[in-house]
Amino acid sequence: EAGVAQSPRYKIIEKRQSVAFWCNPISGHATLYWYQQILGQGPKLLIQFQNNGVVDDSQLPKDRFSAERLKGVDSTLKIQPAKLEDSAVYLCASSLEAGGNTIYFGEGSWLTVV
Amino acid sequence: DAKTTQPPSMDCAEGRAANLPCNHSTISGNEYVYWYRQIHSQGPQYIIHGLKNNETNEMASLIITEDRKSSTLILPHATLRDTAVYYCIVRNQGGKLIFGQGTELSVKP
Repeated sequence: EAGVAQSPRYKIIEKRQSVAFWCNPISGHATLYWYQQILGQGPKLLIQFQNNGVVDDSQLPKDRFSAERLKGVDSTLKIQPAKLEDSAVYLCASSLEAGGNTIYFGEGSWLTVV
Repeated sequence: DAKTTQPPSMDCAEGRAANLPCNHSTISGNEYVYWYRQIHSQGPQYIIHGLKNNETNEMASLIITEDRKSSTLILPHATLRDTAVYYCIVRNQGGKLIFGQGTELSVKP
């Protein structure tokens, strides 16, 4: 079974530039999550989708971050404009449903803002 | 905020059992205990979860105390590849995983 796919794996950008990360969840998984992990810390949930609807985006800095899952499958996370403190690993995860099912993570997209 | 407390680091000798403790004294009746691990440069990997009974799978065993206020993850025969950060997470049926700092386990030859 294919896992959660993410790209790009690594990205270096200058501050004030924009960047986009792509995620393809495990086939059939209705729930998709984006997490941010700053070096030395545990992952922090940014946004949760159920199919193509947002369930929780309370931790998403909406002035610069946006995410979409238009057809209920793939998802894109965008940062515009990037700040130095956005340097982190962006992890995508998915589960069959929101409640009680195991959540599987991708390998992450490493962002460095210089 | 994370509802669990874990030691920041632990060492274990290769081939011995690794016992990783976790305190979750404010756990609610419908909340599960989940364990994930994160090997350097990889995404978190699911290990095991339980509600109140002890659980075992091919990776590990999970022992939950009767009052459910603490648990222990047991890796029966640790190998060098088990070196990772281990996260203990309390999760309700609503589905959010809230990560704490985890325990950095170092397995030494």
